Amino acid sequence: SYELTQPSSVSVSPGQTARITCSGDVLAKKYARWFQQKPGQAPVLLIYRDNERPSGISERFFGSSSGTTVTLAITGARVEDEADYYCLSEADNIWVFGGGTKVTVL
Amino acid sequence: QVQLVQSGTEVKKPGASVKISCKASGYSFTSYVMHWVRQAPGQRLEWMGWINAGTSNTKYSEKFRGRVTFTTNTSASTAYMELTSLRSEDTAVFFCTTGDEAMTVSYWGQGSLLTVS
Repeated sequence: SYELTQPSSVSVSPGQTARITCSGDVLAKKYARWFQQKPGQAPVLLIYRDNERPSGISERFFGSSSGTTVTLAITGARVEDEADYYCLSEADNIWVFGGGTKVTVL
Repeated sequence: QVQLVQSGTEVKKPGASVKISCKASGYSFTSYVMHWVRQAPGQRLEWMGWINAGTSNTKYSEKFRGRVTFTTNTSASTAYMELTSLRSEDTAVFFCTTGDEAMTVSYWGQGSLLTVS
């Protein structure tokens, strides 16, 4: 089975850049996606194919990839960016989510 | 626009079964695979599996295999997730989600809360 590992929490000051990593062997061969989830809401796709943004997603969200690690950067962090962030990858028609990272802006 | 509207809150006894629906609109229902995702209170997103709405082929997570069944009613553009032998650990919000194969877009239902008690 595949695993994706994320830090459980990240703190960032307003206006600074938060970086969330997601690591797993599958990422060397497969793309990652990133989702944002706020309390009581469904997840929202932020990044696909490691670094592509869907229409309507702020340019403050930036994805990158290197080897078996992908990174989501949130530039110019705002209080509204406080949320849980999940990476997702897929292999053999199976989805694998990372454990999620809680981002606090303070 | 694409919408996925799920059925409402369910309260079940341990050992019972639940069937949650997900009605799709705004796209060709049989064009996309529908995934199901579980999220226990305060916990991570957990993938349960998918159903190909066009072929009815399914793939289940090892964790849920044997207890979960996905079905569709293409004439009603609705997907269903049935979970049996419920236990307290199944208390969670269940999401249906779909999108193109490359996931350039991703659509999610609003979630259905299941309480097992």
